[in-house]
This record gives sequence, C-alpha cells and structure tokens, in this order.
Amino acid sequence: DQQVKQNSPSLSVQEGRISILNCDYTNSMFDYFLWYKKYPAEGPTFLISISSIKDKNEDGRFTVFLNKSAKHLSLHIVPSQPGDSAVYFCAASEGDDKIIFGKGTRLHILP
Amino acid sequence: DAGITQSPRHKVTETGTPVTLRCHQTENHRYMYWYRQDPGHGLRLIHYSYGVKDTDKGEVSDGYSVSRSKTEDFLLTLESATSSQTSVYFCAISATLPTGGKNIQYFGAGTRLSVL
Repeated sequence: DQQVKQNSPSLSVQEGRISILNCDYTNSMFDYFLWYKKYPAEGPTFLISISSIKDKNEDGRFTVFLNKSAKHLSLHIVPSQPGDSAVYFCAASEGDDKIIFGKGTRLHILP
Repeated sequence: DAGITQSPRHKVTETGTPVTLRCHQTENHRYMYWYRQDPGHGLRLIHYSYGVKDTDKGEVSDGYSVSRSKTEDFLLTLESATSSQTSVYFCAISATLPTGGKNIQYFGAGTRLSVL
C-alpha cells in the first residue's frame, strides 16, 4: 500500500507560469517531508523540505506547503523555467533515517 | 554529490549470472542505502545499512543481498540475476543539510543494469 502518492504522472506548464506538484500521504506519523528533483541519467537531488510543525517553507522560486489535516503537500515553482523540466519525487519520513518516496511526477516546461 | 561513487555505471548481463554493484563514499557516513528506480514505481528501497556489518531489508529485498565490511563501501549483490531485476540502481547516504536540521539522503549517479 502506497504511503506517499503522487497521482499525476506528468504535468505540462508554460514557461514563466506557476508549476504546482501535488503529493498525498497516508501515514500520520510522518514528520518530515522532502522534494527531490531528477534529471535523466543522474541521481535524484534534494530540492526542499518541510517539518510537520510548519505549514510553509520557501527557498527562492520553490515553496512547499503542508496541510497536515488533509495529509497533503504541494510544491510550487514560480516562475517556471526550462531547466525545471525533470521528474519530481515527493518523499516522507517518520523520524528515523528511512525515507518513503512517491512514484514521481514528470514536469515539462513548455516554451 | 556527497562523495558517492557507484560502479559500474552500466552493465549488461545474462539471466542466472551473479552481479555485484558497488557504492563507495568518502565522507564516513553511517547510513547507506540501495534503491531501484522503475517506471511507474518511483524509488523503492532494497536494503540499507546503519553501520559496518549492520544491514536491514527494505521494501523490495527479495533476490538481493548486501554487505558492508568497511564504512566506505556498500555492495549490492544479485545472486542470480533475473530479467525483472533490469532497472536503474541508486545508492544513497544520509547526512545533515549544510544549513542544519534533519538528515536528508544524497544519491549517487546510478547504475543502469540490463539482464537479458
């Protein structure tokens, strides 16, 4: 049973607009959430994270929002740029050093 | 890249042959992980290690074994490779962000394995 769900396998967004990637989770014990970005033929790289005690974390063009009551988080990218085209993985952990990953969403930034 | 090197980067092998993938790290991290990435499945944990000779199973451990005889090396072995093990394999370590806070995982560049 998937504990971290990314229900959109792909998403296309016009360059300059906002990209919103969504993620749902089922385990209420998760206390730390992460987003990773992956380019083809490379390993995933850490993008941004948020603790369960917060509802928002911002880093430049990237903002992660956490809604604990809905068990939902989202990644906002504003403005979207061509280099943002990649696969984005949502991930979560519950205090130990194991992370559970979603299946990923492929983001296409259109010129 | 947190000093993580995976070898080989690409390998083609035949069904039934043994295969060993190596993950080498240079920064003395305690936790190391092996994942596989497949279309429609994302990243799935195979095995992980929390110290020399200390390992545990992950979500998809069947058909795989691991060994960690030194802090810097974490080996993943497919005793008898099957076509279902064709995948991209990633090694990762757990480390604190430079800005502090909780640990995150840093990944190697991956090994693309094809079992024919």
